Amino acid sequence: EIVMTQSPATLSVSPGERATLSCRASQFISINLAWYQQKPGQAPRLLIYGASTRATGIPARFSGSGSGTEFTLTISSLQSEDFAVYYCQQYNKWPGTFGQGTKVEIK
Amino acid sequence: EVQLVESGGGLVQPGGSLRLSCAASGFTFSNYAMNWVRQAPGKGLEYVSAINSNGATTYYENSVKGRFTISRDNSRNTLYLQMGSLRAEDMGIYYCASGCTSTSCSGFEYWGQGTLVTVSS
Repeated sequence: EIVMTQSPATLSVSPGERATLSCRASQFISINLAWYQQKPGQAPRLLIYGASTRATGIPARFSGSGSGTEFTLTISSLQSEDFAVYYCQQYNKWPGTFGQGTKVEIK
Repeated sequence: EVQLVESGGGLVQPGGSLRLSCAASGFTFSNYAMNWVRQAPGKGLEYVSAINSNGATTYYENSVKGRFTISRDNSRNTLYLQMGSLRAEDMGIYYCASGCTSTSCSGFEYWGQGTLVTVSS
């Protein structure tokens, strides 16, 4: 099983600042990585797939990068609605595994 | 509009059974692998089970092997999860999710709203 490790567990950021979230895969997964955002009481929402492609309707302040085993999600200027939990998921090997999540909270 | 609507959750005693359903609409259900992902209270996402587009291949997370059975009815556009020998640690919100066909995957674009499973005496 491919293990996905996210860091940090919690990220405290002020509105308007940049947030950088990391995700590491235990094996090579090429660019078969997705990022999701989850707000309390809601289902996860796909943000990024293919490591760097924004899903439909996702604002440009969200960007993804990386390949192989190291990946990054960057939120360029945090808005109030961006405070949430973010998960990465690999889908290189079916059926896919999730990271444990990074909570982005207001500083 | 794509919709995934889960049902069948509820309160069950330890050792009991439940059958979850996920009704799909707005996309060609039979082309897509389908997945069950759960979330225990205050915890992260956990992959529970998956089934490929024609139902021939399934996956189970280790802790549910032998207790849960995933299936699908492509004529009814519906995904199922038969859960048995339920334990307290099975408690949580169960989501069905999709987004991958047999030839391409772009993550899970589609999620249901979730159905809550509570295991308690």
